[in-house]
Amino acid sequence: DVKVTQSSRYLVKRTGEKVFLECVQDMDHENMFWYRQDPGLGLRLIYFSYDVKMKEKGDIPEGYSVSREKKERFSLILESASTNQTSMYLCASSSPKRAGEGTEAFFGQGTRLTVV
Amino acid sequence: AQKVTQAQTEISVVEKEDVTLDCVYETRDTTYYLFWYKQPPSGELVFLIRRNSFDEQNEISGRYSWNFQKSTSSFNFTITASQVVDSAVYFCALIFTSGTYKYIFGTGTRLKVLA
Repeated sequence: DVKVTQSSRYLVKRTGEKVFLECVQDMDHENMFWYRQDPGLGLRLIYFSYDVKMKEKGDIPEGYSVSREKKERFSLILESASTNQTSMYLCASSSPKRAGEGTEAFFGQGTRLTVV
Repeated sequence: AQKVTQAQTEISVVEKEDVTLDCVYETRDTTYYLFWYKQPPSGELVFLIRRNSFDEQNEISGRYSWNFQKSTSSFNFTITASQVVDSAVYFCALIFTSGTYKYIFGTGTRLKVLA
């Protein structure tokens, strides 16, 4: 059974703290994603990685960075957490079966982060 | 522009009613894929269906059916005889396969099925 695992379901952090959200997938997928989900805004892409050590900014990268040192792990880093980063964070992974083919993404269970 | 629009923010139906969730997309690419995901209260997005741009056949899976129409750039999802367990947020998504494989999601439709 395919699996994307996020390290925490719920997290409470203080303003200014450095926050690490971890995501691990066991499917040997090349692509990994971090999304943020807010009411009325749907899923917005923060960062995307298509290979180890490779990353690409999504639609809302400000205030975030990422790390992908191993294929199975993709970390989202909030350098200095702020209250407007309180949100649900979703990690996903995917792998095209063939070049040019779009396969579905598999999602983790989400991390609900509250910054106080 | 690449965009997915789900105009229905929230829908409430009574159990056993049929309900259709709308999805309209925009893309300049000729090769693309469309998806529907379900997000139950537990939070994890569950994949429901994938459709590529060259396959306009409608699909039925149990109580679920999907209608893909390129002429109107729509990929609508119908639940027949809805059940309380269908209550969730449903997302439509688009991926274009030229360049990087990034998924573009709509804002979601919250479906409430009342007993």
